[in-house]
Amino acid sequence: GENVEQHPSTLSVQEGDSAVIKCTYSDSASNYFPWYKQELGKGPQLIIDIRSNVGEKKDQRIAVTLNKTAKHFSLHITETQPEDSAVYFCAASMPHEGGSEKLVFGKGTKLTVNP
Amino acid sequence: NAGVTQTPKFQVLKTGQSMTLQCAQDMNHNSMYWYRQDPGMGLRLIYYSASEGTTDKGEVPNGYNVSRLNKREFSLRLESAAPSQTSVYFCASSEAWLITEAFFGQGTRLTVV
Repeated sequence: GENVEQHPSTLSVQEGDSAVIKCTYSDSASNYFPWYKQELGKGPQLIIDIRSNVGEKKDQRIAVTLNKTAKHFSLHITETQPEDSAVYFCAASMPHEGGSEKLVFGKGTKLTVNP
Repeated sequence: NAGVTQTPKFQVLKTGQSMTLQCAQDMNHNSMYWYRQDPGMGLRLIYYSASEGTTDKGEVPNGYNVSRLNKREFSLRLESAAPSQTSVYFCASSEAWLITEAFFGQGTRLTVV
């Protein structure tokens, strides 16, 4: 069935270290892969996304890589800072009824950056 | 611009009561969505509206109904609340029905006792 697996569920790093979160998806038709950051008490906010025609995308300290053959994609945060502490969600687009698409989310990773 | 606005922010209901969660966006987006977020379950799609005048079921539609009142507003109704519907509900919108960046509201924390 439609599924996005996300690992790890919790991640604790020291300030300045890198953090990597990995996701796998089940539907080969998926072509859009966003990452959302959710701070406590707030709604998720898009931080970076990638489409299936590219293998990597960077935005300052954040990068996402995509391996369509293996059906997995990863979020990389370098030089982590305490304000990076949040819950991160990956998602993958999947076909839905009537020719439309929907986003299926992973279960989230709680990242803690220790000063 | 306010983005996506949800009301109320918090609500406590008794089992069997009904209520409507309101959502409005001011970004002229065509598509709107309702998700629920439960601990350890991530975000699950309840209903969505690809464009004004259309609504479709998501992954977990049972016990809910929706109305796309106009392009700006998309409401979620619980006709007879159950404890299993205790959750945080998020409304989101995106520019088009083809997946683009989704903007989320601040959420409604609903408790059914």
